[in-house]
Amino acid sequence: DADVTQTPRNRITKTGKRIMLECSQTKGHDRMYWYRQDPGLGLRLIYYSFDVKDINKGEISDGYSVSRQAQAKFSLSLESAIPNQTALYFCATSDRGGIYNEQFFGPGTRLTVL
Amino acid sequence: AQSVAQPEDQVNVAEGNPLTVKCTYSVSGNPYLFWYVQYPNRGLQFLLKYITGDNLVKGSYGFEAEFNKSQTSFHLKKPSALVSDSALYFCAVTRREGYSTLTFGKGTMLLVSP
Repeated sequence: DADVTQTPRNRITKTGKRIMLECSQTKGHDRMYWYRQDPGLGLRLIYYSFDVKDINKGEISDGYSVSRQAQAKFSLSLESAIPNQTALYFCATSDRGGIYNEQFFGPGTRLTVL
Repeated sequence: AQSVAQPEDQVNVAEGNPLTVKCTYSVSGNPYLFWYVQYPNRGLQFLLKYITGDNLVKGSYGFEAEFNKSQTSFHLKKPSALVSDSALYFCAVTRREGYSTLTFGKGTMLLVSP
């Protein structure tokens, strides 16, 4: 969905490096999410945010941090990357109706940690 | 806790034949249920959702899903498969009462042969 953009689309980094993945949306949604996708494991929620002042941990937040810089921007950081954080990362948004309405996903960032 | 099971890693069907992708769920209380599709190198796209009411839900691209409360299932169906339906399909659940995050299944790869 072009309304949700993620940068970079691909990233290769080394163990121990700090890396930031960025997400921007033009849908005007309040709620934003970060997921990771691993083969055979589906999507797992890392963090979610209902507005700029509201940040919540998801199922697998260890090793990650987030920043909601504005309603439209939600960044995911890996403070010290490790190889098992190699995955496909998705940002998603939904409006104030929350779960009742569907989530809209970005195109994903493929991260490889060597 | 809530969970989704997609018992088949892969479903193979010939073009023109009906298809079914299975999903069972576990949630405390009443469910909201979703199907998403992921095409190669793309983010997830919303297909359909069950909120309440009619157990047969119709969605995008000719897909439909049947909610069965007694069997806790929400199978995805299409009367006549197309080669272009080949993709990765995810079932997701959340509970209706209060706020809960969306839990995804592991995904089922659908391959439609010409």
